[in-house]
Amino acid sequence: GESVGLHLPTLSVQEGDNSIINCAYSNSASDYFIWYKQESGKGPQFIIDIRSNMDKRQGQRVTVLLNKTVKHLSLQIAATQPGDSAVYFCAESNQGGKLIFGQGTELSVKP
Amino acid sequence: EAGVTQFPSHSVIEKGQTVTLRCDPISGHDNLYWYRRVMGKEIKFLLHFVKESKQDESGMPNNRFLAERTGGTYSTLKVQPAELEDSGVYFCASSRVEREQFFGPGTRLTVL
Repeated sequence: GESVGLHLPTLSVQEGDNSIINCAYSNSASDYFIWYKQESGKGPQFIIDIRSNMDKRQGQRVTVLLNKTVKHLSLQIAATQPGDSAVYFCAESNQGGKLIFGQGTELSVKP
Repeated sequence: EAGVTQFPSHSVIEKGQTVTLRCDPISGHDNLYWYRRVMGKEIKFLLHFVKESKQDESGMPNNRFLAERTGGTYSTLKVQPAELEDSGVYFCASSRVEREQFFGPGTRLTVL
């Protein structure tokens, strides 16, 4: 069946370094992708999204890259800060509101 | 603007009991979604309301789960009777259009 998965369950980076979180998806019909950040005790918080007609989108300190050829999505966080420590989820959507989530990657930022 | 709110934040019940979870979406958001995360696995879709109508309920696990959204405002998700495997965190999300879903803090359900 369709699925979205993450390559690494945990990622540890030094404060100030750049972080890259990866995600693979299997449904080539998906046309919308989102990254969420979830802190302990809170719900997923929207970070950035990208539509399938784009391959790159930038936000504040974050960049999402979409490679439809290999069905790969990545989230880049520049100058990672302790406040970025959280679990990051990628999700995909296909012509509707239903989101399919990956397993999540836990990002740990060392001071 | 107030975010999505959910009640209760935690619920501990015994197997066979009934529990009702409530979600208040962001004002003006016609789309309301329920998701759940069970045993540390990925977050899974349960169903989608557009106003008071069920747009997609393909993720509802079985007939022990009943979701309602009377009047197209808040929604409830009732589990009756609850089973051990229903334990997890239940999230509600809302959106103005079928994108950019804003999530609530979740309700952690523990079935003993």
